[in-house]
Amino acid sequence: GAGVSQSPSNKVTEKGKDVELRCDPISGHTALYWYRQSLGQGLEFLIYFQGNSAPDKSGLPSDRFSAERTGGSVSTLTIQRTQQEDSAVYLCASSFQEVYGYTFGSGTRLTVV
Amino acid sequence: SQQGEEDPQALSIQEGENATMNCSYKTSINNLQWYRQNSGRGLVHLILIRSNEREKHSGRLRVTLDTSKKSSSLLITASRAADTASYFCATDVNDYKLSFGAGTTVTVRA
Repeated sequence: GAGVSQSPSNKVTEKGKDVELRCDPISGHTALYWYRQSLGQGLEFLIYFQGNSAPDKSGLPSDRFSAERTGGSVSTLTIQRTQQEDSAVYLCASSFQEVYGYTFGSGTRLTVV
Repeated sequence: SQQGEEDPQALSIQEGENATMNCSYKTSINNLQWYRQNSGRGLVHLILIRSNEREKHSGRLRVTLDTSKKSSSLLITASRAADTASYFCATDVNDYKLSFGAGTTVTVRA
C-alpha cells in the first residue's frame, strides 16, 4: 500500500480481555517494528521483524505480549489479559533498509478500563 | 532505555519566528534522525544526518550534528501554525533499531 496501515485506530477494552492490533506495512518493506508510546512519553521499542522472523523481541514488557508476522507482510500484536498499564498508543513502522528512515502508521490508541 | 534526550521539553513561539531544539545522546552513532508527530499519532520522518556530516538542510529545516559533543540541533525557520507538533530525535542503537528521545513539543502561536 501507499503507507503503513494500522487497525483499529482506537480500541477500548475491559481489563483482563485479550486484544489484537494489526499492522499492514508498505509493500516491499522487509523490516517491521512495533513501538509503544505512553501519554506524553517517548517511544518504547517492543519488537523487530525481518521478514517473518523476529530477531529482537527484547522490548516486549511481559509474556502477555506476543507478535507475529506472516507472508513477510501483515503483523499482529496480541496482548493477553490486558492491564490498565497497557493503555498507550501502539505504533507500527516499516522500512526498506532498516534504520534509514522509518515510515510509521497512525497508531492504535488502546485504552484498558 | 532512551539514548537521546531533547531540550527543551516544550517551546512556544510566534508565527514567523525560528524554533531551535537540541538533542543529546550517549553512545556513538552512525546516523541521527528527526521525526515530527502531530496530535500524538504517527511519526513522520523529517531528515537523516550521517555521523560524517555536520549540517543538512531540507526546506525550512536545518539540522546540525556535533559528534564530539554527542549533540544535534533542529532549526525550523519562519515557523507556521502547521509546524505545531512534537519533534523527536532518534539514534541508531544498532543496524536495525532506533532509540527515540522523549520529544520537544512546539507550539506556534498565530
